[in-house]
Amino acid sequence: NAGVMQNPRHLVRRRGQEARLRCSPMKGHSHVYWYRQLPEEGLKFMVYLQKENIIDESGMPKERFSAEFPKEGPSILRIQQVVRGDSAAYFCASSRGYGEKLFFGSGTQLSVL
Amino acid sequence: ELKVEQNPLFLSMQEGKNYTIYCNYSTTSDRLYWYRQDPGKSLESLFVLLSNGAVKQEGRLMASLDTKARLSTLHITAAVHDLSATYFCAVDPRPSGTYKYIFGTGTRLKVLA
Repeated sequence: NAGVMQNPRHLVRRRGQEARLRCSPMKGHSHVYWYRQLPEEGLKFMVYLQKENIIDESGMPKERFSAEFPKEGPSILRIQQVVRGDSAAYFCASSRGYGEKLFFGSGTQLSVL
Repeated sequence: ELKVEQNPLFLSMQEGKNYTIYCNYSTTSDRLYWYRQDPGKSLESLFVLLSNGAVKQEGRLMASLDTKARLSTLHITAAVHDLSATYFCAVDPRPSGTYKYIFGTGTRLKVLA
């Protein structure tokens, strides 16, 4: 049973470009969470999604960031017009249901030049 | 705003020594998690503590939870080099209406041979 799969592992973008990060949850999991980790800091919650629904996006910046979890396919975290401050590790986690244990992916390291 | 604080932030210790990492949080919660993160890797779940007085042990690590004091500890016994990593505690802030973890700042542990 594959774990939470994230790709790409590393992503380099120039300022102003778009970044798309993908996350495929564990089999049987329908809840997805995105976290961001800045250097030397803990993970910070960004958004919680279920299939086709955003449940809680209170941790998402109001501009340039969006997330989706379509009926088919992986969850996507999209960052438009990236800036240097967006450089971070972005982790996806999934769970079987509300209140269930989270399983984390290996993360996507985004570097903005 | 819920805050989760860990101390120390950095810990350098000799092999064979004992030490404790502390995790304080600022609101009521009865679910607390400990994770380990190796450099460039994802988070590995160590312990899930679900009630006041919960104590769990795995190898040289033992975690406990005191919900009245809003304090969890991670105790390391007779440290070995392989335990070198960053350790995070995370609190589930329910009942907040949604499900998300609030992570501590992490404790970077280095065990010296």
